Amino acid sequence: GQNIDQPTEMTATEGAIVQINCTYQTSGFNGLFWYQQHAGEAPTFLSYNVLDGLEEKGRFSSFLSRSKGYSYLLLKELQMKDSASYLCAVRDLLQAGTALIFGKGTTLSVSS
Amino acid sequence: DAGITQSPRYKITETGRQVTLMCHQTWSHSYMFWYRQDLGHGLRLIYYSAAADITDKGEVPDGYVVSRSKTENFPLTLESATRSQTSVYFCAAGQGEAQPQHFGDGTRLSIL
Repeated sequence: GQNIDQPTEMTATEGAIVQINCTYQTSGFNGLFWYQQHAGEAPTFLSYNVLDGLEEKGRFSSFLSRSKGYSYLLLKELQMKDSASYLCAVRDLLQAGTALIFGKGTTLSVSS
Repeated sequence: DAGITQSPRYKITETGRQVTLMCHQTWSHSYMFWYRQDLGHGLRLIYYSAAADITDKGEVPDGYVVSRSKTENFPLTLESATRSQTSVYFCAAGQGEAQPQHFGDGTRLSIL
């Protein structure tokens, strides 16, 4: 089976840095994805990691450690528009083929 | 580029009725997916398809039927709707294992 854990809620202030953690247990790991979802909208793709290490994309970075079953999403220079849910998702070829298995999401609130 | 479109965006129906949610993509991606999103559960996979005429069950397939006669369409049918199927339904499409899935805007389905 699989288990994906991430904090339910986080708060931060504008301009700050926040790290959202995700731990997972899968049988056939084949990649980890982060998505952003604003209230009432569809999830949108942020980042993808399949090898250990850090992937950087502008203000967003994502890290993966396969041996620890651990990833984090790092958001720098926070803006009010970053208030959203952040979804960690794992591809497990043995469990769901190319489909993604999602965590329950972390709701981030950014205040001024 | 329309991408992926879902219809209807909102639907209210009664228990016992059959309802079909439509999903259409303009990219010709091989893989298509149906998820439902509920508070406290996050996104859960219902069915997925690797190509036309190839479908497979996800985590919560009971009460749902899918078909994929054409690459671009992946309709989801609730054969006899129940109140527990009230949810937001997202369709997604992707090119392959290392590629992200891209989501439609969702269908909000209420079953009274």
